[in-house]
Amino acid sequence: QVQLVESGGGVVQPGRSLRLSCAASGFTFSSYGMHWVRQAPGKGLEWVAVISYDGSNKYYADSVKGRFTISRDNSKNTLYLQVNSLRAEDTAVYYCAKDPYYSDSRTYYCDHWGQGTLVTVSS
Amino acid sequence: DIVMTQSPDSLAVSLGERATINCRSSQTVLYSSKNKNYLAWYQQKPGQHPKLLIYWASTRESGVPDRFSGSGSGTDFTLTISSLQAEDVAVYYCQQYYSTPFTFGPGTKVDIK
Repeated sequence: QVQLVESGGGVVQPGRSLRLSCAASGFTFSSYGMHWVRQAPGKGLEWVAVISYDGSNKYYADSVKGRFTISRDNSKNTLYLQVNSLRAEDTAVYYCAKDPYYSDSRTYYCDHWGQGTLVTVSS
Repeated sequence: DIVMTQSPDSLAVSLGERATINCRSSQTVLYSSKNKNYLAWYQQKPGQHPKLLIYWASTRESGVPDRFSGSGSGTDFTLTISSLQAEDVAVYYCQQYYSTPFTFGPGTKVDIK
């Protein structure tokens, strides 16, 4: 079965950086697009970024463009989110999620989700 | 960017009764050449990650009970729970995947009356 396990969260000071990881198993990781979605405490879902199955296409929310970078290592079945210049408003649970379609350079919705990793930005 | 709105913010429904949640997009999410609405619905129970319920506006995900249904086209969509069960207490989100950024609605909280 599909399993997505995020890691790398923690408490970080404003302006610092983190790299979040998402270890995937139970499916052919290299053939599916992947998303990051975040949720601030007590708030709704915010889509953050998406990467196509081969890494050729990447898109970002306006709120993170230029500060966050999505990437993947298909040899390690792992998705990443490099988060730089962190702000208090980046405090959230960060979920990775799988796109549903095989070897499609276009990306769509999220059919499987991880449990999330909490990032807290605080001095 | 496409802005998603939902109504109501919250609702309380008696067990066995119908719950209806509305979602509106600021521009169409209907891809005319494919005749598909790029709209999904998710359920998030307290303390859990979101779960996909509906995609292409009306296609139920495998394993989702048939009391959940989606309808609508263009800019106006509805999620209906035909007979509310206790386990349906959750926040429900719509999301457009027509164009990036793939925006979510603000969510609708469903409780038992």
